Amino acid sequence: GQQLNQSPQSMFIQEGEDVSMNCTSSSIFNTWLWYKQDPGEGPVLLIALYKAGELTSNGRLTAQFGITRKDSFLNISASIPSDVGIYFCAGQSAGGTSYGKLTFGQGTILTVHP
Amino acid sequence: EAQVTQNPRYLITVTGKKLTVTCSQNMNHEYMSWYRQDPGLGLRQIYYSMNVEVTDKGDVPEGYKVSRKEKRNFPLILESPSPNQTSLYFCASSFTGFTEAFFGQGTRLTVV
Repeated sequence: GQQLNQSPQSMFIQEGEDVSMNCTSSSIFNTWLWYKQDPGEGPVLLIALYKAGELTSNGRLTAQFGITRKDSFLNISASIPSDVGIYFCAGQSAGGTSYGKLTFGQGTILTVHP
Repeated sequence: EAQVTQNPRYLITVTGKKLTVTCSQNMNHEYMSWYRQDPGLGLRQIYYSMNVEVTDKGDVPEGYKVSRKEKRNFPLILESPSPNQTSLYFCASSFTGFTEAFFGQGTRLTVV
């Protein structure tokens, strides 16, 4: 089946630093999504990317849909303590037997030191 | 408030004792799915449903059943739980299979 490789697995940074994480896939996706999961909660959508090459921002977050449709990155600028959590990338295929299915990366655990 | 509600949040059970985890959404979404989250593996889809009475297997369906008799509810059934089904489970819903998925708060299941 489809696999996503997300890196890094964990990051320990100082408040104010920028953060970058990425995902690569063995196959093509039509949509790339980035989710954040707080402790004890379900994932919440941060950014959705629908077109190859698309660069989208949401506040201090910026994400890009790779031109090959097999990769995506997420940047967080000027990190703050509430950025702590697990960040997941997810790819979504067009249809067929994969209709609606989100294929998730392994997650990046972000720790921000004040 | 628009939400996906799962119950229970925590459950400890013994091997072989049938259990059901409920999921309900109040957003009139057509598409619902179940995922399990395991360390280092991210979330993997167990089953999904495109609409009432339409369900299909995801990536890891073995040992699970689902039903979709009403649009708002999508229970996950473990007929004979085993320790390898110890995991964190999430229900999700969306208008269609291509729109934003909203996740419940999760059910942490331990099978001993």
